[in-house]
Amino acid sequence: DAGVIQSPRHEVTEMGQEVTLRCKPISGHDYLFWYRQTMMRGLELLIYFNNNVPIDDSGMPEDRFSAKMPNASFSTLKIQPSEPRDSAVYFCASSPGRGADQPQHFGDGTRLSIL
Amino acid sequence: KNEVEQSPQNLTAQEGEFITINCSYSVGISALHWLQQHPGGGIVSLFMLSSGKKKHGRLIATINIQEKHSSLHITASHPRDSAVYICAVPPSFGNEKLTFGTGTRLTIIP
Repeated sequence: DAGVIQSPRHEVTEMGQEVTLRCKPISGHDYLFWYRQTMMRGLELLIYFNNNVPIDDSGMPEDRFSAKMPNASFSTLKIQPSEPRDSAVYFCASSPGRGADQPQHFGDGTRLSIL
Repeated sequence: KNEVEQSPQNLTAQEGEFITINCSYSVGISALHWLQQHPGGGIVSLFMLSSGKKKHGRLIATINIQEKHSSLHITASHPRDSAVYICAVPPSFGNEKLTFGTGTRLTIIP
C-alpha cells in the first residue's frame, strides 16, 4: 500500500495568498484527520472526517481555514487568506476504524511557510 | 479535556542503555497511542494499547488504566532510535479525537 499521500511537501507563499493542501488517505480507511504541528503548540487536531463527513472541526483556528472531503480518496485543507502565523507542518492521517481504537497512519506532512 | 503529560522532555543516553519514557493522562480512555517522529519529520504509529503490555522488537509499551499511566521502554538502545516520542489519548472514553503530549526528544549517543 502506498500509505497516506500528501502534497505538496513544501509550500512557500506570500501572506494573503490562498493555500491548498491535499491528502489521499489509505484505501479503505474510514477516518481522515488533519493536524497542525508547531514548535509552540505541538501537534493539534484541526478537523476529522468519518466516511467523508466532517465530524468535528472545533480545532479549526479561524474561518480562514476550511476542509473538504469530496470522496473517500481525497481531502483538501484550504487557507484563505494565509497569514505568517499559519506557518507550520500540516499532517494528514487516516485510520481504518474508530480513530481512538485504531492506529493512525500519517502522511509525510506539508511544510508551509507564509512570508 | 484530557491533560497529557510526558516525561522527561529530553533524554540523552549511551548506546545500549535501557530507556523509559512516561506518559500520564487525566481522563479515562479506551486506548493510548505511542508515536515516533523521526528527525526528518515523519510520524509513525508505534503502539495503540488499552491494557497490559505490547512488544514490538526492542520496544515495549505498558499501560496502567487505573493509574492513568503508560510507559514506553526501549531495550538495547541504538542511535537510530533517536527521535521524538509522543503519546496521545482521546479526550474521553470512546472519542475519536486525540490529544497529544509535548513529546520526549531522545538522543542515543554511539
